[in-house]
Amino acid sequence: DAGITQSPRYKITETGRQVTLMCHQTWSHSYMFWYRQDLGHGLRLIYYSAAADITDKGEVPDGYVVSRSKTENFPLTLESATRSQTSVYFCASRGGGSYEQYFGPGTRLTVT
Amino acid sequence: DAKTTQPNSMESNEEEPVHLPCNHSTISGTDYIHWYRQLPSQGPEYVIHGLTSNVNNRMASLAIAEDRKSSTLILHRATLRDAAVYYCILRDNNQGGKLIFGQGTELSVKP
Repeated sequence: DAGITQSPRYKITETGRQVTLMCHQTWSHSYMFWYRQDLGHGLRLIYYSAAADITDKGEVPDGYVVSRSKTENFPLTLESATRSQTSVYFCASRGGGSYEQYFGPGTRLTVT
Repeated sequence: DAKTTQPNSMESNEEEPVHLPCNHSTISGTDYIHWYRQLPSQGPEYVIHGLTSNVNNRMASLAIAEDRKSSTLILHRATLRDAAVYYCILRDNNQGGKLIFGQGTELSVKP
């Protein structure tokens, strides 16, 4: 599928488990971003990446790990999930010379 | 990161213009003003952006104050599909273009 996709769309996991959220884009955009959105709040930046193998922390990086071995993929891993990480996670991408970020449909994660 | 202030909510009638205000008194010279909107159960989508001059596109217009300390997003004829949360964001091109979202304005449109 063209565009930006996220998988899974819904995930329920238990406290302490490791979970990975996938993000894939087909535009070869250099920049990719991960945000979380909690009920009644705006989006907060977790991590972002300017290119393959280049990542940087955002506002709320604690408890998350990212990698970017390929331009098109930007997985987000919760190494040991906690209830406070229950949220909707959005991935986004942007071309290097562009101003517009394109957002994926989101992954709703529940940690029990 | 420079912050923005928006009203929590606004109401509009269908087919009437809507003016969504945003204050950004600490804006710096390199900050672009971006607007995104988020429809229910969807990811945000880009609406418009500008630096100093007023901007128009197919979705909306952006009016920027001369001192750049405030801006207004204008929807010329609101439709029911425009009901969403609208975010005013300052983006610094020197920081990878990352977006720092505020609380946004929830716009409801009445038929």
